[in-house]
Amino acid sequence: AQSVTQLGSHVSVSEGALVLLRCNYSSSVPPYLFWYVQYPNQGLQLLLKYTSAATLVKGINGFEAEFKKSETSFHLTKPSAHMSDAAEYFCAVSPAGGTSYGKLTFGQGTILTVHP
Amino acid sequence: GAGVSQSPRYKVTKRGQDVALRCDPISGHVSLYWYRQALGQGPEFLTYFNYEAQQDKSGLPNDRFSAERPEGSISTLTIQRTEQRDSAMYRCASAAGTVTSEAFFGQGTRLTVV
Repeated sequence: AQSVTQLGSHVSVSEGALVLLRCNYSSSVPPYLFWYVQYPNQGLQLLLKYTSAATLVKGINGFEAEFKKSETSFHLTKPSAHMSDAAEYFCAVSPAGGTSYGKLTFGQGTILTVHP
Repeated sequence: GAGVSQSPRYKVTKRGQDVALRCDPISGHVSLYWYRQALGQGPEFLTYFNYEAQQDKSGLPNDRFSAERPEGSISTLTIQRTEQRDSAMYRCASAAGTVTSEAFFGQGTRLTVV
């Protein structure tokens, strides 16, 4: 069984400040981990993914995340927030390998607000 | 097509009616997934297909929900005898089908049962 917990349903930062969105997972098998972003009236867009290669993963729009097995975490960061980063962010997990790569278990989401 | 297309975008139906939600995946994508997203929650897995075969339907909440993908391309999610608790955003995603292929999501269908 797998589960994802996103700490903080709402995060607010100032433009130019560090963005940190927290994600902890539980998985009985080695996981693949993902961050998706959802803009209003749009579909989910993949930001980045961890698939057992490098533990520090770089994604689009300047985001990155680090897989820490000992902490069962996959926190999302961006050094400097931009107004356009305001959106809802979802962390997700799927079992590594197999053919069910898209069978994802999502967290409840974190809404990021960026203040000028 | 260029992306995953879902129709209709919005559907309002009366309780007790049947609804059919359509998903047109990215051309050539082997895998197709259905998710349901309640307000303020993350998407929840319903079912998925590889080609026309339904591989996993463990997330379908009850027997009023069914899905098909008869020719391995377009898929339909059908909800019979709709109830108010079925109101949600229904999302479809497709993937190329290799082990590390990304799942691309459509914009979803917002279903409201009144």
